[in-house]
Amino acid sequence: QVQLVESGGGVVQPGRSLRLSCAPSGFAFSSYSMHWVRQAPGKGLEWVAVISYDGSKKYYADSVKGRFTISRDNSKNTLSLQMSSLRGDDTAVYYCARLESYSGNDLFDYWGQGTLVTVSS
Amino acid sequence: SSELTQDPDVSVALGQTVRITCQGDSLRSYYASWYQQKPGQAPVLVIYGKNNRPSGIPDRFSGSSSGNTASLTITGAQAEDEADYYCNSRDSSGNHWVFGGGTKLTVL
Repeated sequence: QVQLVESGGGVVQPGRSLRLSCAPSGFAFSSYSMHWVRQAPGKGLEWVAVISYDGSKKYYADSVKGRFTISRDNSKNTLSLQMSSLRGDDTAVYYCARLESYSGNDLFDYWGQGTLVTVSS
Repeated sequence: SSELTQDPDVSVALGQTVRITCQGDSLRSYYASWYQQKPGQAPVLVIYGKNNRPSGIPDRFSGSSSGNTASLTITGAQAEDEADYYCNSRDSSGNHWVFGGGTKLTVL
């Protein structure tokens, strides 16, 4: 069955960096674009970034552009989010999600369980 | 516009029908998808496209769209439907995605 397992979360000081990983299994990872979505405590979902199936295209939310970098290694079945210059408002649960897209339909059909990032001194 | 607007709170009596709406300019170009999230859990896809339900989602969930508004309807709401619901679509650029602010559904 399809699984997405995030790791790498923790407590980090403002201004520092952190790298999140997502380990997919149960599907052809190299065929899907992958996304990161976050949720601050008590708040709604916020789309963060997308990487195309082959890694050639990457797009970011304005709130993280220039600070976060999404990447993937299809040979190792790994999705990553490198976060730098972290701020308090980056505190959130970070989810990786698979996007299925066909015939005009976009759907995040599988989500990981999330990993909590807390930015605090 | 890159925003999707949802009513923050909606309530429904047990067994009754409720509609949750999502407004945004991008919905004139892209279908919305809908996600249910219960406390402490990851979101779950409930509706996508014109009106499609993933396997395992009860048929009391349905979707519709008109102009800049997408709707999620629950016909015969159950206690277990109490949750936060989020809409999502691409924004007008087509290269970014956006979530609505979420609707907290209370089943009375």
